[in-house]
Amino acid sequence: NAGVTQTPKFQVLKTGQSMTLQCAQDMNHEYMSWYRQDPGMGLRLIHYSVGAGITDQGEVPNGYNVSRSTTEDFPLRLLSAAPSQTSVYFCASSPQGDEQYFGPGTRLTVT
Amino acid sequence: KQEVTQIPAALSVPEGENLVLNCSFTDSAIYNLQWFRQDPGKGLTSLLLIQSSQREQTSGRLNASLDKSSGRSTLYIAASQPGDSATYLCAVRNNNDMRFGAGTRLTVKP
Repeated sequence: NAGVTQTPKFQVLKTGQSMTLQCAQDMNHEYMSWYRQDPGMGLRLIHYSVGAGITDQGEVPNGYNVSRSTTEDFPLRLLSAAPSQTSVYFCASSPQGDEQYFGPGTRLTVT
Repeated sequence: KQEVTQIPAALSVPEGENLVLNCSFTDSAIYNLQWFRQDPGKGLTSLLLIQSSQREQTSGRLNASLDKSSGRSTLYIAASQPGDSATYLCAVRNNNDMRFGAGTRLTVKP
């Protein structure tokens, strides 16, 4: 049981480039979410999904897209990276929206 | 809009002390509240989850309480140890929206 996995662990992008952050869980959780964590701030919700085929926006969705084609995977797409998107990104999952389990994070730098 | 505040932002205590971390929130119509621990450069580890119908939860040396009417939760750590040094985050859930506090950075000195 691997829990919540994220790839890559580190990534450097140039302004305007696109990329996808991968998130997968093997616990059959319905609820998955993406957060970003910036220095001195708590985590902020970007997008979430309550099940395959269902996604919704969180507190800071601009500049990010998500999709949920399977229960296991919830990728986060940056279509045109900006320096303001430099952050640490965490994926989380939970059963029926209860106790959340977090992945190890992806540290993204946009130059 | 739910706002979550954690006080103090940093705390340093000698080993063996009992301590209390505070979390306050503005909207009392919560679904649950969760306390996490985060070590430097690492992800979040769940410590305790309190459902809206509960008043407290305990796990080992940790005890978390919830008072919805006053918009407050406390995390009590008994007999602190150097290994407890970390940042502690509280998160409040309203429906599918989860809001985090900025955290309390705890240092326990040997």
